[in-house]
Amino acid sequence: SQELEQSPQSLIVQEGKNLTINCTSSKTLYGLYWYKQKYGEGLIFLMMLQKGGEEKSHEKITAKLDEKKQQSSLHITASQPSHAGIYLCGADVSKEGVLQLTFGSGTQLTVLP
Amino acid sequence: DAGVTQSPTHLIKTRGQQVTLRCSPKSGHDTVSWYQQALGQGPQFIFQYYEEEERQRGNFPDRFSGHQFPNYSSELNVNALLLGDSALYLCASSLGYTLGETQYFGPGTRLLVL
Repeated sequence: SQELEQSPQSLIVQEGKNLTINCTSSKTLYGLYWYKQKYGEGLIFLMMLQKGGEEKSHEKITAKLDEKKQQSSLHITASQPSHAGIYLCGADVSKEGVLQLTFGSGTQLTVLP
Repeated sequence: DAGVTQSPTHLIKTRGQQVTLRCSPKSGHDTVSWYQQALGQGPQFIFQYYEEEERQRGNFPDRFSGHQFPNYSSELNVNALLLGDSALYLCASSLGYTLGETQYFGPGTRLLVL
């Protein structure tokens, strides 16, 4: 079963529009990471959230971790073509005693000029 | 400050062959993790090396093995390649691996098995 569910799977927006990507877990999240990936390339670290209610911003991207620490959202304000890519949420998960960074399946964002 | 580097960038192999991928961690990092990312999926954890030993391992067969050198660089070896091993292989480095320790990723090696 998928540990982290991301929605939507893909998103097409017009340049200048705001958008939100969600990441939901059935378990409490102890470390929630957001990464961006250009197609076929490595992951670029965006932000890390640990505390319930925490919110962080970087340029026009804001990420929040809800109070119950089971959902995070990534919000982009006034989107630009440079925001296009795949956004991945990841979380530290213990599987059979192995601590590993586990990812959602990603949200493909297209920004139309 | 050099980030995580990986080599080669692309590789084409045939079924049954063996492959070695290489990774140099970000300056100051001592822990290297490897991930496999199939098309349209998030990265899947393969294993993690710290102090030249495999510390954590995901759900991958023994055909996948690795090594970490004294300078913290690492290799991923895959034996008896299968078509399903075609993927982007990502290396990530961190300073130790505990909850909340951010991992920084390299650009990846794209492996195609024919």
